[in-house]
Amino acid sequence: QSALTQVASVSGSPGQSITISCTGTSSDVGTYNLVSWYQQYPGKAPKLMIYEDSKRPSGISYRFSGSKSGNTASLTISGLQAEDEADYYCCSYVHPNSYVFGSGTKVTVL
Amino acid sequence: QVQLQESGPGLVKPSETLSLTCSVSDDSVSSGAYYWSWIRQPPGKGLEWIGDIYFTGNTKYNPSLKTRVTISVDTSKDQFTLRLKSVTAADTAVYYCAGLLPGAVAFDPWGRGILVTVSS
Repeated sequence: QSALTQVASVSGSPGQSITISCTGTSSDVGTYNLVSWYQQYPGKAPKLMIYEDSKRPSGISYRFSGSKSGNTASLTISGLQAEDEADYYCCSYVHPNSYVFGSGTKVTVL
Repeated sequence: QVQLQESGPGLVKPSETLSLTCSVSDDSVSSGAYYWSWIRQPPGKGLEWIGDIYFTGNTKYNPSLKTRVTISVDTSKDQFTLRLKSVTAADTAVYYCAGLLPGAVAFDPWGRGILVTVSS
């Protein structure tokens, strides 16, 4: 199974909104409402930010939101802050019984 | 909140078997709350799901690694173990254990990760 496709880098100024896309296929992203998103700082373990396409775990800022259209899922960060500078990965269930991560997007706050 | 901690050798020789253990604390590996998972990340690269196990012993593996991977669980020690045989330099990575919430693709929590280097 191939990694889900993410743009390599996205940048924005503080206060702006940015959107990270994650493109899969009808065998994964397009069929199941099971996309999650992870934030990873250098040298640290990933942290769950969004699950089931658009749900936020307890403690995750409302500035992070998830959505999906067809085979593409998206993570939007609104009110961009310096602390949002990190790598972001999407992940999807793949039929039958496996999971695939995206290639990762580096977010830079200008 | 359940906590996870990986342990094992940081250096493995090519063609040998990589073996890592994840210790679960503040919960029981038999609670049924999670599928216990392994995920890896080669230096400077992205994440790759390796496989997972439920406390019943049911396993799922990444098709690309299936022939080389075994994940087992020891309920008496609240641990689960990854074994990856016939390793090469391409298996050099940070290996994470994580809990996968049943019914959702949500890996949470994660261990801190352990770097395993394959080299002679």
